[in-house]
Amino acid sequence: NAGVTQTPKFRVLKTGQSMTLLCAQDMNHEYMYWYRQDPGMGLRLIHYSVGEGTTAKGEVPDGYNVSRLKKQNFLLGLESAAPSQTSVYFCASSYLADHQPQHFGDGTRLSIL
Amino acid sequence: RKEVEQDPGPFNVPEGATVAFNCTYSNSASQSFFWYRQDCRKEPKLLMSVYSSGNEDGRFTAQLNRASQYISLLIRDSKLSDSATYLCVVTGFNNAGNMLTFGGGTRLMVKP
Repeated sequence: NAGVTQTPKFRVLKTGQSMTLLCAQDMNHEYMYWYRQDPGMGLRLIHYSVGEGTTAKGEVPDGYNVSRLKKQNFLLGLESAAPSQTSVYFCASSYLADHQPQHFGDGTRLSIL
Repeated sequence: RKEVEQDPGPFNVPEGATVAFNCTYSNSASQSFFWYRQDCRKEPKLLMSVYSSGNEDGRFTAQLNRASQYISLLIRDSKLSDSATYLCVVTGFNNAGNMLTFGGGTRLMVKP
């Protein structure tokens, strides 16, 4: 039972490079989320999706794009990486948005030089 | 003011001690409340939901005070393995709608 799987686990990029983080869940959850976690800041929502083919902005969407072409996958893209995007990225999913806990992947540590 | 506020700690306690964390939230319309646990360099994991009547799970007790808008987590008979960061989570209205809002976490260190 994999739950939520994130790839890659670690990545180092140079400023201006692009990359895509992949999140996959096997729980048939409708809702998926991308967060970033920085020291002292807690988890901040970047983008989220309420179902296949739909995405929406969270609290800190600038510099990121997302896609949800399949229900089980949620991709986070950085078109032109900046040092301010150095962070730990967590994907999560839930059956519903409200009254339901979220299940997290084990994170992607991203460093932008 | 942050939507969900927690004392970052660290709380340093000896094994066997009882320790309590509080968390305050600003959105009086919040309906769902959770405590998550996050180990160093790991993902957050659900510890327990918090119900209006209060609830207990083994050594852990969660309480909700809607009037004062705070939730608490009590850990009895602390174990070394309880050392972690505890995240307070509530539903909150931000520009993403009615999503979960995470506090910054309270770090607990249980010493032998």
